[in-house]
Amino acid sequence: AQSVAQPEDQVNVAEGNPLTVKCTYSVSGNPYLFWYVQYPNRGLQFLLKYITGDNLVKGSYGFEAEFNKSQTSFHLKKPSALVSDSALYFCAVRPFNAGNNRKLIWGLGTSLAVNP
Amino acid sequence: NAGVMQNPRHLVRRRGQEARLRCSPMKGHSHVYWYRQLPEEGLKFMVYLQKENIIDESGMPKERFSAEFPKEGPSILRIQQVVRGDSAAYFCASSPGGSTEAFFGQGTRLTVV
Repeated sequence: AQSVAQPEDQVNVAEGNPLTVKCTYSVSGNPYLFWYVQYPNRGLQFLLKYITGDNLVKGSYGFEAEFNKSQTSFHLKKPSALVSDSALYFCAVRPFNAGNNRKLIWGLGTSLAVNP
Repeated sequence: NAGVMQNPRHLVRRRGQEARLRCSPMKGHSHVYWYRQLPEEGLKFMVYLQKENIIDESGMPKERFSAEFPKEGPSILRIQQVVRGDSAAYFCASSPGGSTEAFFGQGTRLTVV
């Protein structure tokens, strides 16, 4: 079965330190990969996506993600965390044969807490 | 430009009642998508609609669930004869086209008692 795993329910980092939120996937073919963020009392917001090309993708708010095909991973990173980055982060994958762009397979989310 | 608006934010229904969830897409967006998030599970695609048309409803249960996106007014996700298992967060997203990124609403949390 196709799936997306975010192995950490929660990630804690100190402000100014680098952060990584992990995502691995198991889907057939060459998928499209996405990261979304949900701030408290707000809807999901698109951060970045990988479709093809350079494995390092840069997105909103200084975030980036690296696509690693051999490890089937798409970890989200930021060189220097801000307290305002504290939120819930979702990884999502669209299998290549999904049929429409909205049939994404979603991870369960990782809660990021950045401590001042 | 207001974001995607969903209402109500919280909805409590007794078993057997009907639940109506509303989604007003962002201005200029003609594509709407509904997702369901069950406890301890990720978001699951339910249905994709354009104005007056259902494009893909493959993720929606065949019984009791229906969705519409009329020419005027919000998109409605309707759940008839709700059961406890329908308790979940329902998210709506919209986009101006089928291939562009979608913008999500805050969700409606349905609780069936």
